[in-house]
Amino acid sequence: EDQVTQSPEALRLQEGESSSLNCSYTVSGLRGLFWYRQDPGKGPEFLFTLYSAGEEKEKERLKATLTKKESFLHITAPKPEDSATYLCAVQDAGGTSGSRLTFGEGTQLTVNP
Amino acid sequence: DAGITQSPRHKVTETGTPVTLRCHQTENHRYMYWYRQDPGHGLRLIHYSYGVKDTDKGEVSDGYSVSRSKTEDFLLTLESATSSQTSVYFCAISVGEGYGYTFGSGTRLTVV
Repeated sequence: EDQVTQSPEALRLQEGESSSLNCSYTVSGLRGLFWYRQDPGKGPEFLFTLYSAGEEKEKERLKATLTKKESFLHITAPKPEDSATYLCAVQDAGGTSGSRLTFGEGTQLTVNP
Repeated sequence: DAGITQSPRHKVTETGTPVTLRCHQTENHRYMYWYRQDPGHGLRLIHYSYGVKDTDKGEVSDGYSVSRSKTEDFLLTLESATSSQTSVYFCAISVGEGYGYTFGSGTRLTVV
């Protein structure tokens, strides 16, 4: 059974204070690891897909990295508008491209001005 | 962008009544999913569909049924609502390799 654990559950940062969110996963074979952002009252919004260890993706102040057992979402010089819940999910290699994602519980990030 | 609409956005219903939630997509994506999101549990898969009339169970399917008679519509039915089914329900579609899912805006369901 695929498992995803995110830490910390909640993180408070000051504007400009860089940090990282962690996603540890257990999967028989990784087809893809996904990061999403979720704002209150809305559905998750896709950020990145990572496929293999060593891969990195960047978008504005966010950079996602992947190892064989975990992924990190690095936030550089965050701004208040980066406040959201960040979700990590894995897709098992045993399925098709549309096969199910298993999600972690998320990290709630608050960036204070 | 893939258009995905959930209805209703909010619903309050009584224990024991049937409830149907609707998910509508404006493109012909094959895969559609229903998740529920609860504090302490995150997003959990209820049912999913890989084509018209082709559906399968997720990890928390008890008490729920689904139907997909058209590519664009995926319905989730609570046969007899219970308080434990109070949750936020999200529909999602798989929009292509490497893009994960696109989610709807969610339905907040309260069973009293």
